[in-house]
Amino acid sequence: EVQLVESGGVVVQPGGSLRLSCAASGFTFDDYAMHWVRQAPGKGLEWVSLISWDGGSTYYADSVKGRFTISRDNSKNSLYLQMNSLRAEDTALYYCAKDMGAYGDYTFDYWGQGTLVTVSS
Amino acid sequence: EIVLTQSPATLSLSPGERATLSCRASQSVSSYLAWYQQKPGQAPRLLIYDASNRATGIPARFSGSGSGTDFTLTISSLEPEDFAVYYCQQRSNWPEVTFGPGTKVDIK
Repeated sequence: EVQLVESGGVVVQPGGSLRLSCAASGFTFDDYAMHWVRQAPGKGLEWVSLISWDGGSTYYADSVKGRFTISRDNSKNSLYLQMNSLRAEDTALYYCAKDMGAYGDYTFDYWGQGTLVTVSS
Repeated sequence: EIVLTQSPATLSLSPGERATLSCRASQSVSSYLAWYQQKPGQAPRLLIYDASNRATGIPARFSGSGSGTDFTLTISSLEPEDFAVYYCQQRSNWPEVTFGPGTKVDIK
């Protein structure tokens, strides 16, 4: 059974930093690209970032480019999102999502339950 | 950016009825469109990918159709567990993938 478990969400002040983690199990982690997708409270879904199976390719939404960094450790079956210069508009539930392909199919076939990031003073 | 518009915003139906949800793209996305279901307090679940392919474990009452700019998700006979919010998502111009605003299917 595929499982994705996010952690690291907290309340942080504007301008602060945070690192989210996602622990994956139930599939061959290093065969697939992975994503972060977020959902502001009561709002819709917004894609945030992609990393290819080997970490060789990364992409970001314009709204987070230059502030967020996605990474992965295939030896630990883990995905990360380093978030810097946080803004109020980054407040959201952050989901880790598995891609259907290795390099980025951009179809999300499994999702974690999310970790809540709140940016507030 | 490709904008996805979903209609209606809310669909009020009874169990056993047929649900027809629409997703329209601001420009052609070929068949690169997926549908997700999200229940309150839960993560989204992939239902349909590439316009008409059911994801693993998805019941046959869910079907998708369309290409280009107009797409439809049909639930042939609503079960109690189908009342949820449904999102469409395009991947045509990756990495700028976008989601629609959602259609809420609630109990009449």
